[in-house]
Amino acid sequence: EAGVTQFPSHSVIEKGQTVTLRCDPISGHDNLYWYRRVMGKEIKFLLHFVKESKQDESGMPNNRFLAERTGGTYSTLKVQPAELEDSGVYFCASSPRLGTYNEQFFGPGTRLTVL
Amino acid sequence: AQSVAQPEDQVNVAEGNPLTVKCTYSVSGNPYLFWYVQYPNRGLQFLLKYITGDNLVKGSYGFEAEFNKSQTSFHLQHPSALVSDSALYFCAVSLDTGGFKTIFGAGTRLFVKA
Repeated sequence: EAGVTQFPSHSVIEKGQTVTLRCDPISGHDNLYWYRRVMGKEIKFLLHFVKESKQDESGMPNNRFLAERTGGTYSTLKVQPAELEDSGVYFCASSPRLGTYNEQFFGPGTRLTVL
Repeated sequence: AQSVAQPEDQVNVAEGNPLTVKCTYSVSGNPYLFWYVQYPNRGLQFLLKYITGDNLVKGSYGFEAEFNKSQTSFHLQHPSALVSDSALYFCAVSLDTGGFKTIFGAGTRLFVKA
């Protein structure tokens, strides 16, 4: 079974530019999560999709961040325009069933550097 | 507000010795508790979880953790560390009611010396 994949693995952009991160969850997993880890701190929740619907986007830092999951399969996270403080590792995770007692399957992350 | 604390940035242990990675949490409600491990250039991998029942939970690679409600702790333990256990360990908590967020700690780097 293929795991969660993320693209790109690394991205270096300049302040003001746009970046789009992609996540492909495990096939059949309705739940998809985005997280961010900044500067060795805690992994922070960004948002949660159930299929194509946003279940909880309370962790999105501001309106420069836009997440989509058209068709309920892969998801994209766009940052536009990027700021220096957006640098960090962005993780995607998926799980097959709704319920916070279920473990999540994580991708390797995208390391974003904004210069 | 929910929070998870991992008080140690790094834990150093000699191979063959027991290890403990500490985690405490603060939630209003019944917690679901998790440990994940991250190896270099890999995503987080699930190790074990506490949902209900026996306070001692056994997981992958010989790891176990004990849920202590009075101390609001969920420390990760292993009786005999291996060099290959060296990695970054994350404790996480979610609630059984409302919302679907999982809150993670800052991570503890475990270094096992041969």
